[in-house]
Amino acid sequence: GQQVMQIPQYQHVQEGEDFTTYCNSSTTLSNIQWYKQRPGGHPVFLIQLVKSGEVKKQKRLTFQFGEAKKNSSLHITATQTTDVGTYFCAGQLNRGSTLGRLYFGRGTQLTVWP
Amino acid sequence: DSGVTQTPKHLITATGQRVTLRCSPRSGDLSVYWYQQSLDQGLQFLIQYYNGEERAKGNILERFSAQQFPDLHSELNLSSLELGDSALYFCASSVESLAGIYEQYFGPGTRLTVT
Repeated sequence: GQQVMQIPQYQHVQEGEDFTTYCNSSTTLSNIQWYKQRPGGHPVFLIQLVKSGEVKKQKRLTFQFGEAKKNSSLHITATQTTDVGTYFCAGQLNRGSTLGRLYFGRGTQLTVWP
Repeated sequence: DSGVTQTPKHLITATGQRVTLRCSPRSGDLSVYWYQQSLDQGLQFLIQYYNGEERAKGNILERFSAQQFPDLHSELNLSSLELGDSALYFCASSVESLAGIYEQYFGPGTRLTVT
């Protein structure tokens, strides 16, 4: 069945270091979304990528969608303690007639040491 | 605040019991999704409803069932509870954008503890 793999599962960095999490799908995706879950919180939508090769930035966060629309990455430059949390990628298979179901990766839990 | 509400916030019950978790989606959202998140685990998709009808099923056990009512709120029923059912249960809702893309808004979750 459809799978979205995400690595690494855990990442510990010192404040100021960069961080990257990678997502890979077994099939072509319609779009990919990224969510962040703070400790004790619920997942919160960050961004969606739709086009092949798309790159989007949100301040220190850079999101990429692969040319084949099967992989994606989230890169955080100069991490801060406020970046702590679990980052999930989630892929949608089809547009429009789809059921809206998202296939979530396992998540990358980011810890930032001050 | 995502606009999605879930009750109760916490639930402690014994093995073998049955519980009902409730979710109210954001105003106007027709789709409701249920997820289970165990300790250090990702989000396990359980089931999706769209405007009252079941639309997609994930890793939902036969002991679990759900429904979406005419007012669009949803309930997840968990029966014959086992220790392994202890987890955080999230409800999410979404609406289809013009581009056919659904972003999901998650509720605060219900933490279920089975003793």
